[in-house]
Amino acid sequence: KAGVTQTPRYLIKTRGQQVTLSCSPISGHRSVSWYQQTPGQGLQFLFEYFSETQRNKGNFPGRFSGRQFSNSRSEMNVSTLELGDSALYLCASSLERGGNTEAFFGQGTRLTVV
Amino acid sequence: AQSVTQLGSHVSVSEGALVLLRCNYSSSVPPYLFWYVQYPNQGLQLLLKYTTGATLVKGINGFEAEFKKSETSFHLTKPSAHMSDAAEYFCAVSRNSGNTPLVFGKGTRLSVIA
Repeated sequence: KAGVTQTPRYLIKTRGQQVTLSCSPISGHRSVSWYQQTPGQGLQFLFEYFSETQRNKGNFPGRFSGRQFSNSRSEMNVSTLELGDSALYLCASSLERGGNTEAFFGQGTRLTVV
Repeated sequence: AQSVTQLGSHVSVSEGALVLLRCNYSSSVPPYLFWYVQYPNQGLQLLLKYTTGATLVKGINGFEAEFKKSETSFHLTKPSAHMSDAAEYFCAVSRNSGNTPLVFGKGTRLSVIA
């Protein structure tokens, strides 16, 4: 069974640009969550999607957005990039929602903003 | 609100020595607790989780953790460290009611010295 796939693995963007990251969950998983990982702030929750609807949102500005498609694949978009957006963005998929449901993480997309 | 504190951003042990990584949590409701491991340039992999039932939880790669409600702790241990255990370890908490995202600690980097 294929794991969670995130593309691209690495990305370099310029300040002010926008970027779209993609996440393909494990087959059959309906919940997709996104996290930002930085050395200073650690792992921070961005948002969760389930059945194409955003169910939870973390404390990030509106420049960060996402969506989920009918096949559960998800994308996140960051507009007007800032240097501080440089981070590892991790996607996690779960079979269902619920605090005890195991989350499977992808390898992440490392975004560098210059 | 939930939070996780991991004591020690960096722990160094000798190969064959006991590994002890500390995690304390704060939660207003009974928690679900998790330990994840992250190897360089990789995503997170679940080591073990506590949901309900037995407070001593065994995970993969010889790791175990004990949920101590009175101490609000969920420390991770392994009797004998192996070189391959060198990685970053994250403790995380979620609620056992509702659908809330994982809240992670800042992580502890484990080094194993030959």
